Order: sequence, then structure tokens, then C-alpha cells
Amino acid sequence: IAGITQAPTSQILAAGRRMTLRCTQDMRHNAMYWYRQDLGLGLRLIHYSNTAGTTGKGEVPDGYSVSRANTDDFPLTLASAVPSQTSVYFCASSESSESSYNEQFFGPGTRLTVL
Amino acid sequence: DAKTTQPPSMDCAEGRAANLPCNHSTISGNEYVYWYRQIHSQGPQYIIHGLKNNETNEMASLIITEDRKSSTLILPHATLRDTAVYYCIALSGSARQLTFGSGTQLTVLP
Repeated sequence: IAGITQAPTSQILAAGRRMTLRCTQDMRHNAMYWYRQDLGLGLRLIHYSNTAGTTGKGEVPDGYSVSRANTDDFPLTLASAVPSQTSVYFCASSESSESSYNEQFFGPGTRLTVL
Repeated sequence: DAKTTQPPSMDCAEGRAANLPCNHSTISGNEYVYWYRQIHSQGPQYIIHGLKNNETNEMASLIITEDRKSSTLILPHATLRDTAVYYCIALSGSARQLTFGSGTQLTVLP
């Protein structure tokens, strides 16, 4: 693994179903992030984690939950998917969210469609 | 984060320098200028950032005006693979969220 990987690449999901998007990084970065990107709305932060064991809410956290049990993994869970959660989801990481170097590395994205 | 303004689109001939402007007239003293790009259907990619001084790395150069109200990203020898949407962002070092505006769609022409 080099960088950030996300799985699945794409998914079609029935409304009401539970779904977990996976994100793994091998750069030993402290901070990780989940964004969604919708046409015309740009990139919006869902949740973030400054370090393993801590998480925080971003701009659009409702309907999503995250966990950070270790440094490498940061899964995003949709407990009961709704059509408005149809989007492209990007996971990102950075060395530290509290430094001046906000250089975030992004994964390839997961395209999720909720019907 | 300070608001940034970029032209919606630009063209550039392959092999020539691409100069992408960004206005950030309300930038505060602790805000850095970051540039990212997003190639179609891929995740965003960090390019470069700076505070006051001009910066250069293997991908690009960043020229920031003395008053810090504007900046220019320079791709010295654009290739077809540089076709992407380029985002200029002004944010403080402690910011947790990247907020992309509309960006500039750069098209490199053969």
C-alpha cells in the first residue's frame, strides 16, 4: 500500500441500509478526514480525527459516524443511508492538523449512490 | 478562511508556462495560500503553499505579491496531464477543513 486507499471504489445502496466506507493510510499521519463532494457544492468536511482515539465533527456530520481505533484506519459509517447521501466520498490524511503545513493527501474516492 | 477569487477557465498550449491567478484581498496575517488541483474523477492533489515568500517545488512555483492580496501559480512547462481544476485556498495553519471554491479549469491544448 502506498498513500491512501479507499474501498469500495463505487457502491449502489438501497435506502435504509447500513454502509461502511473504508479508508487506510500507510504514511503514519496523525490526522485524517472524510469529505463529500457534490456537483456545485464543492468539498465539504464530514468528520475528522486529529489523532488515533479522537474524532470531531465537520461541516456536514449528520447521518455519518466515524471511529479511529488506530493510526492507519478511519472508517466512515452511514447507519441508515438516504438518497441525499449520494455523493463522492474522499478520505484524506495529513501529518498534523495543528501545524502550518495543511498538506492533505487524498484517496481516490468512493462513488456512492443511494436509491 | 479568506475568500479567494479565480477565473473560471484558462487554456494553455502544451509545453508553455501556465500562469493561474488568484485574488485573496481579505487574507489575514496567519493565513497561508494553498494550491490544490483535481484531475477529473480523481482525488484532490496538493501542489504547493506559501505565506509571504515565493515558493518552488518539483510541481510548480507560487508567486505571492508583497501585499499578499493575490498570488499566481506557475506550471513552468504544462503537459496534457496538467489539465485539471485548480483551487486556491487561504487558510490558517490550525484550520481543519479544506474548502474548495469553484477553482479554475485549466485545459492544456496539444
